Amino acid sequence: KAGVTQTPRYLIKTRGQQVTLSCSPISGHRSVSWYQQTPGQGLQFLFEYFSETQRNKGNFPGRFSGRQFSNSRSEMNVSTLELGDSALYLCASSTGPGETQYFGPGTRLLVL
Amino acid sequence: AQKITQTQPGMFVQEKEAVTLDCTYDTSDPSYGLFWYKQPSSGEMIFLIYQGSYDQQNATEGRYSLNFQKARKSANLVISASQLGDSAMYFCAMRESWMDSSYKLIFGSGTRLLVRP
Repeated sequence: KAGVTQTPRYLIKTRGQQVTLSCSPISGHRSVSWYQQTPGQGLQFLFEYFSETQRNKGNFPGRFSGRQFSNSRSEMNVSTLELGDSALYLCASSTGPGETQYFGPGTRLLVL
Repeated sequence: AQKITQTQPGMFVQEKEAVTLDCTYDTSDPSYGLFWYKQPSSGEMIFLIYQGSYDQQNATEGRYSLNFQKARKSANLVISASQLGDSAMYFCAMRESWMDSSYKLIFGSGTRLLVRP
């Protein structure tokens, strides 16, 4: 069974731009969560989606948004990029809320 | 608030020896789950092992075992017979529940393990 896939793997943007990251969960998994990883803040929870509904959101500004589609694929969007948004963005999927989360390879975003 | 503490920023271990990575947690939720993940330099988080708060026995998965001491609120990862490929960052995480049955993982700061040949 294929693992979680994330596209793109690497991204370079400039301040003020917006970016969309994509995540395809493991087949049969309906829950998708997103995390941001930075050297200073470590791993921080962004969102959780289940059945196309955002069920939980971390302590991030409104510039960070996301959605989930009927096939469980998920996207996250960051608008008006800031230098501090440079990070590894990890997506994880599970069969349902609370189950073991399996992570994708991440998208490395660099904001210049 | 729930919290995960990993006090060892970095550790060395000789190949083929066992190593213990420490993790302590703090929660008032009687039902919780503890996870360990491995993150190689490539960045992907690899699930290693899970322990539920009501599990009576310590979890084991191949060379990985979890030394779960509920009263002390510790969930240490033991890697037996270390291999060079075990060199990576290791994160301890706790599942935090939300009011409407939503969940998120809270991660510790990680321990960087280096296996020496």
